Amino acid sequence: DAMVIQNPRYQVTQFGKPVTLSCSQTLNHNVMYWYQQKSSQAPKLLFHYYDKDFNNEADTPDNFQSRRPNTSFCFLDIRSPGLGDAAMYLCATSRDRGFNQPQHFGDGTRLSIL
Amino acid sequence: AQTVTQSQPEMSVQEAETVTLSCTYDTSESDYYLFWYKQPPSRQMILVIRQEAYKQQNATENRFSVNFQKAAKSFSLKISDSQLGDAAMYFCAYRALMKGGSEKLVFGKGTKLTVNP
Repeated sequence: DAMVIQNPRYQVTQFGKPVTLSCSQTLNHNVMYWYQQKSSQAPKLLFHYYDKDFNNEADTPDNFQSRRPNTSFCFLDIRSPGLGDAAMYLCATSRDRGFNQPQHFGDGTRLSIL
Repeated sequence: AQTVTQSQPEMSVQEAETVTLSCTYDTSESDYYLFWYKQPPSRQMILVIRQEAYKQQNATENRFSVNFQKAAKSFSLKISDSQLGDAAMYFCAYRALMKGGSEKLVFGKGTKLTVNP
């Protein structure tokens, strides 16, 4: 049974048109993460939520924002996608903060920009 | 800044044989965790094995084991009795708690493992 669910699996948007990716979890985990993974590259952390506390990575572009309306859902909003934003976006959760807590990943959403 | 280096972009192994994937990392911290994740094609990333930095004993999970050399900052993954289902991209990852309670998970660029029948 899927525990971290990302929708949609594939998303196509136009250059500059806002897009939202969604992630839901059935694990009741406190922490949710968003990663960007470009082709043949390592996943790169964009930001994470610890409960309702938002933690942005220093080098995450302002174009990327996130919302977490409740424990189960987290959204990634890209306000004005550029061609360089085409990537796989991975959502992950962990039960709590702490470096011994493994992260559980969703299948990812592959974003294409036309 | 923490960095993770996987020097082998691609590796191949014969079914039933053993293969070792390399990983080195750089950090000034003394307490952290290391992970190996597996990402099959078009499938989700899953945790393979993890190692606590303060433990000298190497972690083992069935056919997967690590060789953790803290002084050398090396964390290699050994897959024994390789199976076709082991074919995937393998990512080495480093995780540490930062000041203020936030945390950082840094991935290497990955090693693509092919298993030949």
